[in-house]
Amino acid sequence: QSVLTQPPSVSGAPGQRVTISCTGSSSNIGAGYDVHWYQHLPGTAPKLLIYGNINRPSGVPDRFSGSKSGTSASLAITGLQAEDEADYYCQSYDSSLSGNWVFGGGTKLTVL
Amino acid sequence: EVQLVESGGGLVQPGGSLRLSCAASGFTFSSYVMHWVRQAPGKGLEYVSGISSNGGNTSYANSVKGRFTISRDNSKNTLYLQMGSLRADDMAVYYCARRGRQWLVLDYWGQGTLVTVSS
Repeated sequence: QSVLTQPPSVSGAPGQRVTISCTGSSSNIGAGYDVHWYQHLPGTAPKLLIYGNINRPSGVPDRFSGSKSGTSASLAITGLQAEDEADYYCQSYDSSLSGNWVFGGGTKLTVL
Repeated sequence: EVQLVESGGGLVQPGGSLRLSCAASGFTFSSYVMHWVRQAPGKGLEYVSGISSNGGNTSYANSVKGRFTISRDNSKNTLYLQMGSLRADDMAVYYCARRGRQWLVLDYWGQGTLVTVSS
C-alpha cells in the first residue's frame, strides 16, 4: 500500500481533459513538501513531468499542468493524445518514514 | 546529454547477493545526490536508497535496511547497490536516478535493470 494514494486508472477520449489525484497526509504533502509527477512507459526510463507542484521541465508540453492544495495534488492533461497513454506517478517527501521519499501507487491512463 | 545506464541485474537464488551498477555521463556526477528506485512486477515505484554527492550520507527504505548497501565511486562516475539476503519480494526492475539540485525530485532516470529472485 503506497503512502500517496492515486486512482488505479483513468481514461479519456482524444482531445478531452483528464485529471489524476494524489492524496497524502500531514507528514508529507500536508507538511508542505512539494509534489512531483512522472510519466512512465513500460520498459523505458520514467520521465519527470511536473516538479515543484506546478513547474514543467523544458520540453514538456503545456497540456500538462499540476496543482497542490492541502494534503492533495493533481495532474491535469488537456487535449489528450494517444501518446499520453502511460502510467503516471506522484512523488513527495515524508518526514516520518525511513528513506523519506514516497511515491503514489501509479495511475494507468488509457486514451480511448 | 545526461545518461544513466544500469547493469548487473540477473537471476539470483533466494538468500543470494547481487551488485548493481549505474554508469553516469553527461553531467558532473560528483556534484549530485543519487538514488535507487525499484518497480516490482505489476506494482508501482518504490524508493530503495539514496547517497549524498560525496558518499558520506546514505538512506534506505525500511524494506531493504540492513540488507542493501549503496555506494558510489566518483572517480569512475558510477553508482552501486550491493544487495544481500535477497528475497522473492526484492524481484523488480531497479532504476538509478539523479536528484535535482534545487528540488527533492528525480530529474533523470536510467532504463533499469531486472533482478529476478527465484530458485
